[in-house]
Amino acid sequence: EAGVTQSPTHLIKTRGQQATLRCSPISGHTSVYWYQQALGLGLQFLLWYDEGEERNRGNFPPRFSGRQFPNYSSELNVNALELEDSALYLCASSLAGGGKENIQYFGAGTRLSVL
Amino acid sequence: KQEVTQIPAALSVPEGENLVLNCSFTDSAIYNLQWFRQDPGKGLTSLLLIQSSQREQTSGRLNASLDKSSGRSTLYIAASQPGDSATYLCAVKSWGKLQFGAGTQVVVTP
Repeated sequence: EAGVTQSPTHLIKTRGQQATLRCSPISGHTSVYWYQQALGLGLQFLLWYDEGEERNRGNFPPRFSGRQFPNYSSELNVNALELEDSALYLCASSLAGGGKENIQYFGAGTRLSVL
Repeated sequence: KQEVTQIPAALSVPEGENLVLNCSFTDSAIYNLQWFRQDPGKGLTSLLLIQSSQREQTSGRLNASLDKSSGRSTLYIAASQPGDSATYLCAVKSWGKLQFGAGTQVVVTP
């Protein structure tokens, strides 16, 4: 069974551009989570989508946005890129809901470099 | 506001020694605590998950304890091997999200 898949593996953009990152959850999972791992800042929670709705959001500006499609895959969009957006972006998926029984499984990540 | 701290930030041991990694958190209202391994530039591999009602979990050479009242968890890795070299992250779960510590970078020398 396929795990969480993310694309692209690497993405290079220049400051001011927009980046789109994609995530396909494990089959049967309806929740998708996004995390940012920037150098020196550790892993930070970005967004949680469940059944197509945004359920929770971390402390990030509005230029970080996303959506979840009817097939439960998800996109993360970062507008007006800044140099400090350079990071590894990890996607995770779980069964529906945010409770203790729903373990998050992580993809391999997308490395975004902003020049 | 939940804060998760991992000590030490880095650790180097000779092969065969036992590893002890510490994680502390400030808010005991957690669903569970999870330990992950991350190799350079890669995603996360889940090692152990301890529900808030549990005291410990074991898998092979790995053992993790949880003391929710004091806000602490410890990951023990017995008889370390060079292949254990990686960054180890702990994360506490609240509604819908994981909050991570900064990690402990482990190097096991042959």
